[in-house]
Amino acid sequence: GAGVSQTPSNKVTEKGKYVELRCDPISGHTALYWYRQSLGQGPEFLIYFQGTGAADDSGLPNDRFFAVRPEGSVSTLKIQRTERGDSAVYLCASSGTANTGELFFGEGSRLTVL
Amino acid sequence: DQQVKQNSPSLSVQEGRISILNCDYTNSMFDYFLWYKKYPAEGPTFLISISSIKDKNEDGRFTVFLNKSAKHLSLHIVPSQPGDSAVYFCAASAITSGTYKYIFGTGTRLKVLA
Repeated sequence: GAGVSQTPSNKVTEKGKYVELRCDPISGHTALYWYRQSLGQGPEFLIYFQGTGAADDSGLPNDRFFAVRPEGSVSTLKIQRTERGDSAVYLCASSGTANTGELFFGEGSRLTVL
Repeated sequence: DQQVKQNSPSLSVQEGRISILNCDYTNSMFDYFLWYKKYPAEGPTFLISISSIKDKNEDGRFTVFLNKSAKHLSLHIVPSQPGDSAVYFCAASAITSGTYKYIFGTGTRLKVLA
């Protein structure tokens, strides 16, 4: 497809488990973002990649969260020892250039931690 | 610390009338502002943007106004249509300082009544 693809669309897990969320950006887009959206809130910035490197990871809430983008395309957000407070929709976005604000978002991965 | 604020969680407008959505920000380093629109179960989609060197940007039925001294921006939709019913997020970044972290507000749910 032509848009940003995120998998899984829904993930239910138990407290303490490990979770991986995948993002496949638009082909050729160098900038990739991860955001988290809780109910009634706006998207909360987590991390931004330019190519393979994390240009800004200041939004990651703690060291249980980690993201990679080894080949500058697909990215994986990894959450260790999940907590109930991690329940949210995790949004991925990509952009051909980071300085226009035109981020193309995927539909999100809804994570529920029981 | 909510750097981008949308104080009206919801707004209802009659079809054909003007919708005005407001957004305030606190960080004077922000120099690029955007509006995104979000339908249920979809990712946000880019609507319109404005650089801090301008005070107005227009695109069809959508106009964004920026008042830097008041740290306030607004989105005007004229005329409003039922298909405009969605949640609208404003976002801001400090591009000239090399920060491509887009900070989103909490959103305003617009309902256009037929």
